[in-house]
Amino acid sequence: QQPVQSPQAVILREGEDAVINCSSSKALYSVHWYRQKHGEAPVFLMILLKGGEQKGHEKISASFNEKKQQSSLYLTASQLSYSGTYFCGTDTGTASKLTFGTGTRLQVTL
Amino acid sequence: DAGITQSPRHKVTETGTPVTLRCHQTENHRYMYWYRQDPGHGLRLIHYSYGVKDTDKGEVSDGYSVSRSKTEDFLLTLESATSSQTSVYFCAISGGQRNNEQFFGPGTRLTVL
Repeated sequence: QQPVQSPQAVILREGEDAVINCSSSKALYSVHWYRQKHGEAPVFLMILLKGGEQKGHEKISASFNEKKQQSSLYLTASQLSYSGTYFCGTDTGTASKLTFGTGTRLQVTL
Repeated sequence: DAGITQSPRHKVTETGTPVTLRCHQTENHRYMYWYRQDPGHGLRLIHYSYGVKDTDKGEVSDGYSVSRSKTEDFLLTLESATSSQTSVYFCAISGGQRNNEQFFGPGTRLTVL
């Protein structure tokens, strides 16, 4: 079952902040975040591991609530380059594979 | 950028014909994955491989088969293509450790008429 992402879409003005949420019905080992620009491949942003370890982007932060199987991606002082579709991918720890959400489309305008 | 290529990049075929997509990596990564991406569904895992000749099904494997005879190549085959398999197909690779990210190939746009 795919994790649920919210919101499905958001429009921001440059400099504004946004939060994208990812929620799973299964216990998670880790959550990955990727960004995809139109016509391109998804690109890795961050991994959040059970136990608090994080790995990834310097200008984007995220949290992982292990008890609630939820993760949030925080985009602060958004830039035009942040536009794209953001996907979370969840790992339940049973195999080295991810289940991706349906995505959140983010558009940053001037 | 991770060394991962996909071929062909675009293909148009007719219903009932066999189609094979190729993913090639130069990173010597253990794990390789095939996803399909459709509007409203995000990325869905078709099959994945955790080593040479070691493969397993993903969530949407019906109608697809895979093979991995070498570390660097992962083939996805549609034995008899259907219009419902029109999609963008992405290959991804990973070192396989729990904290390793996946690197995606450029994608193949497949249209089945």
